[in-house]
Order: sequence, then C-alpha cells, then structure tokens
Amino acid sequence: QVYLVQSGPEVKKPGASVKVSCKASNHTFFNYGISWVRQAPGEGVEWMGWISARQGNRNSAQKFQGRVTMTTDTSTNTAYMELRSLTSGDTAVYYCAVTRRTKTGTYNFFDPWGQGTLVTVSS
Amino acid sequence: QSALTQPASVSGSPGQSITISCTGTSRDVGRYDFVSWYQQHPGKVPKLIIYEVSERPSGVSNRLSGSKSGNTASLTISGVQTEDEAHYFCCSFAGASSFVFGGGTKLTVL
Repeated sequence: QVYLVQSGPEVKKPGASVKVSCKASNHTFFNYGISWVRQAPGEGVEWMGWISARQGNRNSAQKFQGRVTMTTDTSTNTAYMELRSLTSGDTAVYYCAVTRRTKTGTYNFFDPWGQGTLVTVSS
Repeated sequence: QSALTQPASVSGSPGQSITISCTGTSRDVGRYDFVSWYQQHPGKVPKLIIYEVSERPSGVSNRLSGSKSGNTASLTISGVQTEDEAHYFCCSFAGASSFVFGGGTKLTVL
C-alpha cells in the first residue's frame, strides 16, 4: 500500500508562486496517477489537476490552466504542484491523492490522500 | 465544470438511515459510472468510502452504500452511528481526465 507525505506549510505574498511536494512511500506510485485537490478554509474540495506518474500525461481544471504546473520526479517517487500568481483566494489546504483505476481502465477515484499542505497567501 | 450539488447538511438519530444526494449533469454523473464518495472528519484527511458508484473499499462498513439514477448519485448510511458524524463529498469523472466535486454535506447525528 502506498502512502503520501507532503511538504510543510507555506506563507506567500500575493503575486508569488508556491511549489508543494508529495512523496510516495514506494515505487508502486508509478502505476497510478496523482491528482491535486484543494480545500479553502471551511469550504468544500476543488479538483485542480491530474498527472500520470509514469507517462507524464496531465490535465488541469480550466480555472487553473496557465497558472499551475504539475510534474513528477521518478528518481525520488515525488510529485510536485506549482501554483503561480497567488492571490488571497488561493489560501487553502492543498492535497495530493493517488488516482486509481480498476479493470474499467479509467482513472476515476482518489485513495489515499496526502496529509495536506496549508498555503496561506497574505500581504 | 460546475460543482456537483449536494445538500449542505443532513441529520439523523442513531439507528436511522440517511441519504445524501449528489446531482450533476449529463456530462458527468449522468454519463459515467465513475462517482466516488469521501468522508472527512474535522481536521482529518478525506477518506474514500465508495468508488464507481457503489463499490466499497476493503475495510469500509457495509452500512454505507452508493447508487445512481440519471444525473443524481446517492450515498446511504444505514443505522447511523455517532462515528458517522462528518462531512461527505461526492466526486464524478467528467471526461478527458477531469473531475468535479460536490460542495460537501455535513452529517449531524442527533
């Protein structure tokens, strides 16, 4: 069973960028995708994007396109999410999550999730 | 994509059954049998409880069940217990490697 460990909390000023890391416990990471999901304080969750750990195929939600970059480092079993041009509206807990599929072949659910990384954007 | 619609809150007494709805569109919930549900206790990480509409991961109580009709998916908890008090949110595959979540529902056990 793979589990994910994320980098620590960040405080950024408006206009800055943040890069969050997500390290998998073992190499089975490469059999899955990694999604990034955020949750603003007291709010629901919002899917940001997805990357195939092995092939690097990726897609992001329309509202983040052009502002988010997702990558993986196969040598360290680590995924990264960089979000640029931060505003106070980006203050949230950011989660990575293993994106899985069954014999259906479609990656379609998230399990497990990392512990979350709080990103605070404040002047 | 627009968020899936869930009731903000539901409540039930111990032993009762409750159902949480999750309404999408013909482009997501209605098109794909790829609806998943997550439970989140306060301050905790979301936990997968249902995938592919009605499948339960190993270790998840059989009191939890999922279903779908048209553009609406549902999560039913039978015999609600105090430990079930949490936030629940649904998610649907929306095509082209994209996903959409619901706004979340707070379950209160009276």
